[in-house]
Amino acid sequence: DAGVIQSPRHEVTEMGQEVTLRCKPISGHDYLFWYRQTMMRGLELLIYFNNNVPIDDSGMPEDRFSAKMPNASFSTLKIQPSEPRDSAVYFCASSPLQGMRDTQYFGPGTRLTVL
Amino acid sequence: SQKIEQNSEALNIQEGKTATLTCNYTNYSPAYLQWYRQDPGRGPVFLLLIRENEKEKRKERLKVTFDTTLKQSLFHITASQPADSATYLCALGDLNQAGTALIFGKGTTLSVSS
Repeated sequence: DAGVIQSPRHEVTEMGQEVTLRCKPISGHDYLFWYRQTMMRGLELLIYFNNNVPIDDSGMPEDRFSAKMPNASFSTLKIQPSEPRDSAVYFCASSPLQGMRDTQYFGPGTRLTVL
Repeated sequence: SQKIEQNSEALNIQEGKTATLTCNYTNYSPAYLQWYRQDPGRGPVFLLLIRENEKEKRKERLKVTFDTTLKQSLFHITASQPADSATYLCALGDLNQAGTALIFGKGTTLSVSS
């Protein structure tokens, strides 16, 4: 398996623009997570899905952030409008239901810079 | 308030020595605790998971302990090598989170010099 795939790997945008980050989880994994990582705050959970349904979005910082999972193989995280303080590395991770169910497999991340 | 603290931001040791990293937590009831490795520019990679009823878990040169009384986990790398240099993150699976969401510490950056 190719692992968790994220695109783009790098995104530079200007304040006020819409940003869409994409994730393809590992096939067969029932859980998908979106995280944000900064030096100051570390790795923070934004939202997670189980079988394409959002379970907990309490980590989403503001209404400017939204996430969708239209099917088992694709998820998006959208920021509209973007602000400089959104600059961070955004990770997507997936997790299987069985076995070591809470082991998470992370993608390579998207480094977002908002100017 | 809830906290996860990893002992220091950076740890420098010499090759061949044992590295010991600490993860302390307050106001959590973790069912399990995990350790991840993160290299620069990459996502975290799972290393070990230990459950609340386990005292110790080993994998090759890695050893993790979990003391729910002290609310602490120790992560040991024996016979450390320069290739072990990375940031190590601990993560809790809280009982109140239905065993699914993980809460991460900020990590300890380990540098092993030859």
